[in-house]
Amino acid sequence: DAGVIQSPRHEVTEMGQEVTLRCKPISGHNSLFWYRQTMMRGLELLIYFNNNVPIDDSGMPEDRFSAKMPNASFSTLKIQPSEPRDSAVYFCASSLALIGVYTFGSGTRLTVV
Amino acid sequence: AQTVTQSQPEMSVQEAETVTLSCTYDTSENNYYLFWYKQPPSRQMILVIRQEAYKQQNATENRFSVNFQKAAKSFSLKISDSQLGDTAMYFCAFMRRSSGTYKYIFGTGTRLKVLA
Repeated sequence: DAGVIQSPRHEVTEMGQEVTLRCKPISGHNSLFWYRQTMMRGLELLIYFNNNVPIDDSGMPEDRFSAKMPNASFSTLKIQPSEPRDSAVYFCASSLALIGVYTFGSGTRLTVV
Repeated sequence: AQTVTQSQPEMSVQEAETVTLSCTYDTSENNYYLFWYKQPPSRQMILVIRQEAYKQQNATENRFSVNFQKAAKSFSLKISDSQLGDTAMYFCAFMRRSSGTYKYIFGTGTRLKVLA
């Protein structure tokens, strides 16, 4: 298995543009998590899905952020419009719900200028 | 609410020496899990070790071991015979079951540098 795959690895965009981050979880995992990592706030859980259904999105900072999981093998995190303070590394992780050990992707480093 | 505190933002250790990273947490739950993750410069988050709260025996994985003090809500990581490849950010994480799955709460991390 190739692990959790995130794309792109790096993204640089201008303020106001729409940004879409992508994640392919490990096949068979039924829970998917989106985290944001910054120097100031560390790792923050944004949203997580169980069996493709969003369970808790209380960590999503504001309405500019949205996440979808249309099927078991794909999820997106979208920011529209993007702002410089959104600059961070965004991680996707997946797990088998009953085991609870996460496998993380390599993250997407987002820079909004 | 659960919180995880790592009070050492940065540490360094000489190669082959032993270093201990501290972590405390706050919870009112009795059943939970604790983890240490390593994040090297490659950015990949790698599971180092995990501990189930109901187990009294401290977990060990090769050169990595924990000192789990449930009453004190302390979960420190000891790295023996430190190697240059151990240079990384280390995150302590608390996990509990919620809505049919598990949620992590991470500490702010400790940056460890192993010196040659």
